[in-house]
Amino acid sequence: SQQGEEDPQALSIQEGENATMNCSYKTSINNLQWYRQNSGRGLVHLILIRSNEREKHSGRLRVTLDTSKKSSSLLITASRAADTASYFCAPFTGGGNKLTFGTGTQLKVEL
Amino acid sequence: NAGVTQTPKFRVLKTGQSMTLLCAQDMNHEYMYWYRQDPGMGLRLIHYSVGEGTTAKGEVPDGYNVSRLKKQNFLLGLESAAPSQTSVYFCASSEERTSGRWETQYFGPGTRLLVL
Repeated sequence: SQQGEEDPQALSIQEGENATMNCSYKTSINNLQWYRQNSGRGLVHLILIRSNEREKHSGRLRVTLDTSKKSSSLLITASRAADTASYFCAPFTGGGNKLTFGTGTQLKVEL
Repeated sequence: NAGVTQTPKFRVLKTGQSMTLLCAQDMNHEYMYWYRQDPGMGLRLIHYSVGEGTTAKGEVPDGYNVSRLKKQNFLLGLESAAPSQTSVYFCASSEERTSGRWETQYFGPGTRLLVL
């Protein structure tokens, strides 16, 4: 498994705006996953995109994957205060079914 | 379903004391994991298990031991706690490989441990 690196480390936006966060990784992957962590809580799985997919949607979430650049982005549209959380990407290589998480992007959505 | 639960939620230990953290899942998941989360470090894998009776080392296993005697439980032990083990500990589980969602991990709410 390998670690993803999220960028930016912190992001502050107004409610209703879109939030974009990026992830870079180093080696080939089977899939890439995004997780959310609300303050003081466990991580929650948001979305998984496979290496043969370029874009995936789930509600207000849009994930893209560019395997040639070894990067992914997570877009949250029409953000809400409840979206305030840390977001982690987790590249998955399949070995031992292990995920490795980076330090995350801290998103703050202000009213 | 309760999902993944962790006991206790919070604990204070003195240096040198021992304790066991319990993780339980009611989803019949094959894989289970223990992570620690420290400020600025993200989550780091301590130990994991690919099935009942099996365990393996993760990224930061030193100072910890684990056991998976029952499929639904994964125990994390600290034999002699050190201040460097002050952290938030998360347990997670995932389905077996034949499942369509085997790569996704489900996390517990965490245990905050303070070692003085």
